[in-house]
This record gives sequence, C-alpha cells and structure tokens, in this order.
Amino acid sequence: AQSVTQLGSHVSVSEGALVLLRCNYSSSVPPYLFWYVQYPNQGLQLLLKYTSAATLVKGINGFEAEFKKSETSFHLTKPSAHMSDAAEYFCAVTLNTGNQFYFGTGTSLTVIP
Amino acid sequence: EPEVTQTPSHQVTQMGQEVILRCVPISNHLYFYWYRQILGQKVEFLVSFYNNEISEKSEIFDDQFSVERPDGSNFTLKIRSTKLEDSAMYFCASKVGETGELFFGEGSRLTVL
Repeated sequence: AQSVTQLGSHVSVSEGALVLLRCNYSSSVPPYLFWYVQYPNQGLQLLLKYTSAATLVKGINGFEAEFKKSETSFHLTKPSAHMSDAAEYFCAVTLNTGNQFYFGTGTSLTVIP
Repeated sequence: EPEVTQTPSHQVTQMGQEVILRCVPISNHLYFYWYRQILGQKVEFLVSFYNNEISEKSEIFDDQFSVERPDGSNFTLKIRSTKLEDSAMYFCASKVGETGELFFGEGSRLTVL
C-alpha cells in the first residue's frame, strides 16, 4: 500500500526566508509523487510532480522538490517565501500504473511579513 | 485553459435528504474521481471511474453513495440519505491517462444539518 506522511501540520516562515515542507512516502514499488497547493476556498492545484525522470523537480511559483529514494522523501522547498505562498500544501503518491492518489494530511504555510 | 467545473459550490441540506453533486471533467480525460475533505482533515479518496464503471472505491464509499456519467460529459456523485458526517468539501478530479496529472475542481461544500 502507498501512503505519505507530512511532518508538521503548520509551518511559519518570514517573508524572504526558505520554505521547507516535508513529505515522506511509503510505497512497495517506485512511486509517482506530487505536491498540490490549496488556497482558501479553492480546489487543489498541482505545484509539481515526480514521475521517475529527474530527481530534482521544478514546479510553478518557484517551488521545487527532490526525490530521495534512500530517505523515502520528497520535500518541497522554495528559496524565498512570498506572502502569496500562504496556503495549504498537500503531498500525494500514486503508483506508476496506479489509479488512486493518496494524500497526506496537509501542511498549512503561514508567511510572516 | 480547460478546467474541471463543479456545481453547486455550496449546498445545505437536511439529514436524510438526497444530494447530487455535479462535475464536468476536462473533455478529453478518461479517468474520473471523487474525493472529499472534512473540515481540517486530509483529502480522502472516495471513488474512481473509468470506462463507464467504478474502478476503485474506498471504505467511505458505501451503499449510500453512487456515481454516474449519464451523458458523456457530466460526472455525478449521489448521496442517497445524507448524514451529519457527510458534511465536507467534495472534490471532483479527472486525468487524461493512467499516469497523467490529476486536475481538481474547486469543490462543492456540502453542509448537512
């Protein structure tokens, strides 16, 4: 079975500071991994995805994530936080030929001016 | 840009009433999903639909729930007799192929009184 664990339900950073949101996965076969962002009262928007190509994945809005098999991690980073980054972030996993996406519990990012 | 659209955006209903949530997936997509998110909790998989039949469903998706694709464009979720615990945001999602990006609608908020 597949699952993801997001460490830290709430993360606060200062504007301009590094953003690091943690995600660890569990999968019996090579997974596909995703980060989604949810702004208040909106749906889920894809930030980036890992589909077994390059391990460092660049996404929208300056975010990137690195797939580390040895650590079973797919942490999301951004060098410099903007106020507009404040949102809920979800990590998700599916199998390469899979169907269902499994979501983490989400991390709420607050950016302090 | 093509998008998944959902109606209604918010529905309030009395316990025991039937509710139908509607979704129009992206037109060339073949895989369809319903997820729900209870306030403050993670996004949970309900059901996936492919080739005019349910391909996978979770334990949440009991006999009170059903899905249909009645006309080749709409994808509906019906809850026959709503319970208080059905109150949640329901997200429809679709993707073009097995390994494609999952596109989400903006959600339908269901409040059961």
